[in-house]
Amino acid sequence: AQKITQTQPGMFVQEKEAVTLDCTYDTSDQSYGLFWYKQPSSGEMIFLIYQGSYDEQNATEGRYSLNFQKARKSANLVISASQLGDSAMYFCAMREGQGTYKYIFGTGTRLKVLA
Amino acid sequence: GAGVSQSPRYKVAKRGQDVALRCDPISGHVSLFWYQQALGQGPEFLTYFQNEAQLDKSGLPSDRFFAERPEGSVSTLKIQRTQQEDSAVYLCASSLENTVNQPQHFGDGTRLSIL
Repeated sequence: AQKITQTQPGMFVQEKEAVTLDCTYDTSDQSYGLFWYKQPSSGEMIFLIYQGSYDEQNATEGRYSLNFQKARKSANLVISASQLGDSAMYFCAMREGQGTYKYIFGTGTRLKVLA
Repeated sequence: GAGVSQSPRYKVAKRGQDVALRCDPISGHVSLFWYQQALGQGPEFLTYFQNEAQLDKSGLPSDRFFAERPEGSVSTLKIQRTQQEDSAVYLCASSLENTVNQPQHFGDGTRLSIL
């Protein structure tokens, strides 16, 4: 069965430093997508970055990059130069490559950026 | 509209009452998903629409949950005879196409509290 695991319930990082949020996944599909979302306390889910299973290069979007290690089935999110506004819940999600294409989410990591 | 709109933002109901939650997706988005997010957890899939067709309802927890999208745009999630375990945030998401690389765009959610 498909599964997403986020083992860090909470993380702290000093402002302006980089932080890595871990995500491992399990799937038997060859085609799948991996996504990261940010959920501030207000509740909306904000799309951050996407990595396809066939992509050979790691995805980057501004201060966000995805450390994709396919053999290890990991898709860690790296946030560089952390800002106070980065404090939020972060969810890793996998989208299966067939059928409904629904998301399977991890349990999330709560990130707190310290001034 | 500019984004996915959900209403009401908050809903309080007594156990046994029926509730209806509305989702207005991004204009032109064919795919629409409903997710349930319990406190401290990641969202879990409920149901999926492609235009007006409900193609997957495997995540609906019981026959008290019903969703519709009669004209292929606005969707309503209805919960009959609510129970306390139905308390959660209900998230609606839409995407332009239903492919593995398309991110889903989420609304702010409806926070449902059953007393």
